[in-house]
Amino acid sequence: DTGVSQDPRHKITKRGQNVTFRCDPISEHNRLYWYRQTLGQGPEFLTYFQNEAQLEKSRLLSDRFSAERPKGSFSTLEIQRTEQGDSAMYLCASSLLGAGGSNTEAFFGQGTRLTVV
Amino acid sequence: AQTVTQSQPEMSVQEAETVTLSCTYDTSESDYYLFWYKQPPSRQMILVIRQEAYKQQNATENRFSVNFQKAAKSFSLKISDSQLGDAAMYFCAYRKTFHQGGSEKLVFGKGTKLTVNP
Repeated sequence: DTGVSQDPRHKITKRGQNVTFRCDPISEHNRLYWYRQTLGQGPEFLTYFQNEAQLEKSRLLSDRFSAERPKGSFSTLEIQRTEQGDSAMYLCASSLLGAGGSNTEAFFGQGTRLTVV
Repeated sequence: AQTVTQSQPEMSVQEAETVTLSCTYDTSESDYYLFWYKQPPSRQMILVIRQEAYKQQNATENRFSVNFQKAAKSFSLKISDSQLGDAAMYFCAYRKTFHQGGSEKLVFGKGTKLTVNP
């Protein structure tokens, strides 16, 4: 296991189509985060999972967005009825929350760049 | 809500010279973590350095060091002996502690683009 991997790296879609991205975290990591990064901005938090439970969602995550992490391993982020404003880099990160509340640093994947035309 | 501000959209430095990137943040918490992340073009974000707020000693990692001023809520990154491979976007980020509850999500600034000139 060499790190967090995301697939695909790039996605071009027509407005109104649905897209799904996948993130495979570092295998022993129990926390998984999704962020969105637009041009010239820092990443913004979308949602996170502790194992398979989705514990927090940002206001940025509209009803068209849904994320899952079945079995607490990989995660998917789906965007329905894409809009041009959804064009961004979608970043996945994972970390390990250990006993006593010690949280490791977040390790990031290379991201999926979405372009909605 | 916590906020992170990076006031320098772009910085440049000559190879082998020293550069300092600025970051300020706002929080009402007394304990938290601060990070500098590096994002090279088309590559993933990697952690450069981490500071725990309850530690008064400034963190150091090889050529990278921070100047953490808790009262001023300032967290600058100093890169010494700059190398061409240091060219990247640098993001300052804040994270609360586990004991404060919640996701421990990272709150990022807008970033500073660092150019290293040969």
